[in-house]
Amino acid sequence: DAKTTQPTSMDCAEGRAANLPCNHSTISGNEYVYWYRQIHSQGPQYIIHGLKNNETNEMASLIITEDRKSSTLILPHATLRDTAVYYCIVPMNTGFQKLVFGTGTRLLVSP
Amino acid sequence: NAGVTQTPKFQVLKTGQSMTLQCAQDMNHNSMYWYRQDPGMGLRLIYYSASEGTTDKGEVPNGYNVSRLNKREFSLRLESAAPSQTSVYFCASSENPQSSRTQYFGPGTRLLVL
Repeated sequence: DAKTTQPTSMDCAEGRAANLPCNHSTISGNEYVYWYRQIHSQGPQYIIHGLKNNETNEMASLIITEDRKSSTLILPHATLRDTAVYYCIVPMNTGFQKLVFGTGTRLLVSP
Repeated sequence: NAGVTQTPKFQVLKTGQSMTLQCAQDMNHNSMYWYRQDPGMGLRLIYYSASEGTTDKGEVPNGYNVSRLNKREFSLRLESAAPSQTSVYFCASSENPQSSRTQYFGPGTRLLVL
């Protein structure tokens, strides 16, 4: 997997947008960026993934820079239930791939 | 549609005891995975099964065995538990090997080995 770098922790006020950055400067041209999160004591949850265009679903938006060396996960209106560890993963795009989870960003959403 | 289920939710073992962690999925997925998560750390892959009838080692397979019983079920066995295997174990599944990057996880089994 391409190496990713994320801040250890971030804070966000409830109702505000949470913007979680990820650097992946060694990403290859055909490798996707995946985001997962893990709420305390639960299994990880898939959020979104993208290649080079911005992506949006019911959970979040993913903005990938034009050079694809970094991306930002956006939770547009964070709630207390969004408090979790967020993982940015760039798996190799060759056949069957196993996800490698690093330590992620711990997001704390406060009232 | 329960997704991925795991049993038991919590287990205490003595060193040397054996046990099997059960995992089942009802999404008709072909690929299944076992991870462990130690306190304050990310997940590490123990074993995976790309499709029914196949299993392969992940990052940390020592001390574990797996069985892909059928398409729905993938079990993890500890033959002789050690305190170093105290962890939270997560099972996951994906639709097929080509979509292995999009995985759906179970709620976990918390294992304490004394």
